[in-house]
Amino acid sequence: AAGVIQSPRHLIKEKRETATLKCYPIPRHDTVYWYQQGPGQDPQFLISFYEKMQSDKGSIPDRFSAQQFSDYHSELNMSSLELGDSALYFCASSIQGAGDSPLHFGNGTRLTVT
Amino acid sequence: AQKVTQAQTEISVVEKEDVTLDCVYETRDTTYYLFWYKQPPSGELVFLIRRNSFDEQNEISGRYSWNFQKSTSSFNFTITASQVVDSAVYFCALSAEYGGSQGNLIFGKGTKLSVKP
Repeated sequence: AAGVIQSPRHLIKEKRETATLKCYPIPRHDTVYWYQQGPGQDPQFLISFYEKMQSDKGSIPDRFSAQQFSDYHSELNMSSLELGDSALYFCASSIQGAGDSPLHFGNGTRLTVT
Repeated sequence: AQKVTQAQTEISVVEKEDVTLDCVYETRDTTYYLFWYKQPPSGELVFLIRRNSFDEQNEISGRYSWNFQKSTSSFNFTITASQVVDSAVYFCALSAEYGGSQGNLIFGKGTKLSVKP
């Protein structure tokens, strides 16, 4: 079965650089979520989109932005990177409404900021 | 406010032992979902189970079983006859329920399970 696809798997950036993470949800899933997991931490919700509109916002820094495109894929844009942004970034997708599905996560993008 | 507490930070067992991972939650929502995810050393988050607050029936899937008790706000996870491949961090999570759909997940801090041969 198709899963959530995230790219790239690994990314190394320097401080103050920008990064773009991509997420391709499971086909027919209309909702995308982004999570950040620091070393030894639990995943923290950043932001979600439903039908290309932002549906909820968590602890996402102002330096980060995200959007969901017409094909339902999503991108997380991160600017002015800081050392503390080094983390595993997960995307998850689901279907909202009757018969919705639980969140299924991608394999994550490991971002290292040096 | 929503909160998930996994009091056990690390558990170590020997293969074939049974092990129970505890999860206690807090929520003001009358309807909600509870989840368990597994995160092996490779890092991915693997979905194990989702339970709606309406459904207190316990569930068994192979060596895995889950005990949901609303009276004590607990959703415990038991692995029977543990195996080395069960070694991972296990997260319990909670989300609100809106018209049959789930909101974003609030995770516990996770329990690291080590199964030794």
